Amino acid sequence: GDSVTQMEGPVTLSEEAFLTINCTYTATGYPSLFWYVQYPGEGLQLLLKATKADDKGSNKGFEATYRKETTSFHLEKGSVQVSDSAVYFCALISGGSNYKLTFGKGTLLTVNP
Amino acid sequence: DSGVTQTPKHLITATGQRVTLRCSPRSGDLSVYWYQQSLDQGLQFLIQYYNGEERAKGNILERFSAQQFPDLHSELNLSSLELGDSALYFCASSTTLSALTDTQYFGPGTRLTVL
Repeated sequence: GDSVTQMEGPVTLSEEAFLTINCTYTATGYPSLFWYVQYPGEGLQLLLKATKADDKGSNKGFEATYRKETTSFHLEKGSVQVSDSAVYFCALISGGSNYKLTFGKGTLLTVNP
Repeated sequence: DSGVTQTPKHLITATGQRVTLRCSPRSGDLSVYWYQQSLDQGLQFLIQYYNGEERAKGNILERFSAQQFPDLHSELNLSSLELGDSALYFCASSTTLSALTDTQYFGPGTRLTVL
C-alpha cells in the first residue's frame, strides 16, 4: 500500500537557518505529493503541492521538488522564521486510492529567535 | 481560514457514550473527508462522502458512522466510546470526487476526550 516516511523530529533551528525536512514515499502509479503545515492549536493547511515528476511546489519561501527517481519530496526553506514553528506533514494521493491522503507522521519544527 | 467549519471545538465525554461531530464544507465543495489524528496512529483517513453518497472507507471502526446531508454538511457519529477514541477529528472538503488533482482543505478539528 501507499506510505510516506518523513524524518523524525523534533527539529530545532535558530532564526534565519536553512531548513530541510526529508520525505520519501511508496505509492501506486504516479502520486500527487503535498506538504501540509499544522500550527499550534489549528487544523492542517496546505503549504504546497506537486502533481507530476520534476514539478516544484513553492509557497511562503518553502519549496519541494517531486523526484520520481528517488521517490522523494523534501521540504526546504532558505531562512526560517520564528513564525514557521509548526508541525509539517508530507502526504500523497495515488491513482490507486485517489480519494484519501496518506500522511507521514509529521515533523515538529521549533525556530528560536 | 480554510472555509471548512467544524463543531464543537472540544468535546469531553465518558466511556460508552455516543457523540456527533459536525462539519460544513467550503462553499461549492461536494466531497467531504473525515480523518482521525492520534498520537499513536498519526493522521488516518476514515471515510469520504461525495454529494450525499458514501464513496470510500478507510480505517473506520464499526462503532463509527457518518452521513452527508442534502445541504452538504456532514456528521460523524461515534458510539460506545472507548478511551482509545480520544483524538483530534478533522474534516476536509474538496470540489470534486477525485482528490488526485484537487486539493483537500481542512477544518480546525474537534478534539474529543473520552474519560
